[in-house]
Amino acid sequence: EAQVTQNPRYLITVTGKKLTVTCSQNMNHEYMSWYRQDPGLGLRQIYYSMNVEVTDKGDVPEGYKVSRKEKRNFPLILESPSPNQTSLYFCASRIPTGNTQYFGPGTRLLVL
Amino acid sequence: QKEVEQNSGPLSVPEGAIASLNCTYSDRGSQSFFWYRQYSGKSPELIMFIYSNGDKEDGRFTAQLNKASQYVSLLIRDSQPSDSATYLCAAEARRASGTYKYIFGTGTRLKVLA
Repeated sequence: EAQVTQNPRYLITVTGKKLTVTCSQNMNHEYMSWYRQDPGLGLRQIYYSMNVEVTDKGDVPEGYKVSRKEKRNFPLILESPSPNQTSLYFCASRIPTGNTQYFGPGTRLLVL
Repeated sequence: QKEVEQNSGPLSVPEGAIASLNCTYSDRGSQSFFWYRQYSGKSPELIMFIYSNGDKEDGRFTAQLNKASQYVSLLIRDSQPSDSATYLCAAEARRASGTYKYIFGTGTRLKVLA
């Protein structure tokens, strides 16, 4: 089954404690993205990757890091989480010319 | 100014009626437009995309695009309670680097009343 998986699905942490949210897709897609979704602000892109070792900032990259060492994986790293990073996070993937962007199930993060 | 604007709703329609969801965008360079449905607590799923002026129909759904007015809409015919969700409009825009990104609206919440 074609899918994007994320882990963990729910996470409560404290300010400053480094965390990683994993994302994996089994569709051999080149493009992968991370979004955060906040009430009243919609989905905003954090980082994206066009292929292995090729990443770039989206609209709200501050406080986040990513890496793309393998085509299927695109982890999101919060080196020092802060309460304003409390949000619902989605990973997504698609082919470069594709119209369908596949979203993962989401990770709900609470930073205390 | 938001780049993709939607009325947040809720838009309430009776079962069996036509639901009309609207979206405007500011970037005249946007070529492709997408409608996603998102149930509460779930991830967005693509319903339709459109890139030519006019109408595009798929089952009970019709997307309409008017590039001159920078306006996109989604019509849902014979609305069902299971259509109750938030509908996200997205426009594909070109970055300065030449790559493309999706710009999402904040979504319209639709309630179909049984």
